[in-house]
Amino acid sequence: DTGVSQNPRHKITKRGQNVTFRCDPISEHNRLYWYRQTLGQGPEFLTYFQNEAQLEKSRLLSDRFSAERPKGSFSTLEIQRTEQGDSAMYLCASSSTGQGDNQPQHFGDGTRLSIL
Amino acid sequence: KQEVTQIPAALSVPEGENLVLNCSFTDSAIYNLQWFRQDPGKGLTSLLLIQSSQREQTSGRLNASLDKSSGRSTLYIAASQPGDSATYLCAVYTDKLIFGTGTRLQVFP
Repeated sequence: DTGVSQNPRHKITKRGQNVTFRCDPISEHNRLYWYRQTLGQGPEFLTYFQNEAQLEKSRLLSDRFSAERPKGSFSTLEIQRTEQGDSAMYLCASSSTGQGDNQPQHFGDGTRLSIL
Repeated sequence: KQEVTQIPAALSVPEGENLVLNCSFTDSAIYNLQWFRQDPGKGLTSLLLIQSSQREQTSGRLNASLDKSSGRSTLYIAASQPGDSATYLCAVYTDKLIFGTGTRLQVFP
């Protein structure tokens, strides 16, 4: 079990640039979630996929954000025209649906984004 | 709208003490409740998951209880150690995880 893997671990970029993060879930997990966490706060839900279908998006996910999971395995989260307020830790989690919805979510170590 | 609150926000105790961390939620229609640990700059490590039909779960020195009707959960840590120092987050699962803001725990030798 290799766990949930996120890359890169850190990203520093100038305001206005585009950034893309990658998440590789646990291989047998069909659900994948993205969360954002700012300093001193708990993570906030952004979006989730079941296989390749994006089933829900938070209103936190503005038009500048897009997430994909093209083959139902890894996922990417892209932020276009980054703003200072996008600075946060972006966390990915995965879970299975083998016994319905009551499965624990397993988190990666996150990608910390800093906007200069 | 589901809201999750954790108290205290921070806690500093000497090694060996037994601790209780509190979590409350406003809507009892949840599938489960999960407690996580987060070390600085790291992701979340799942500690315990309590199904909505369960009252408690135990793992080693950790015990979590759930009272869905009153919207409360507690995480009990027995015989605390410096290695327990971290932020502890609770989250309720409806169709997504909704987190509290966490309790920052420091256990000093």
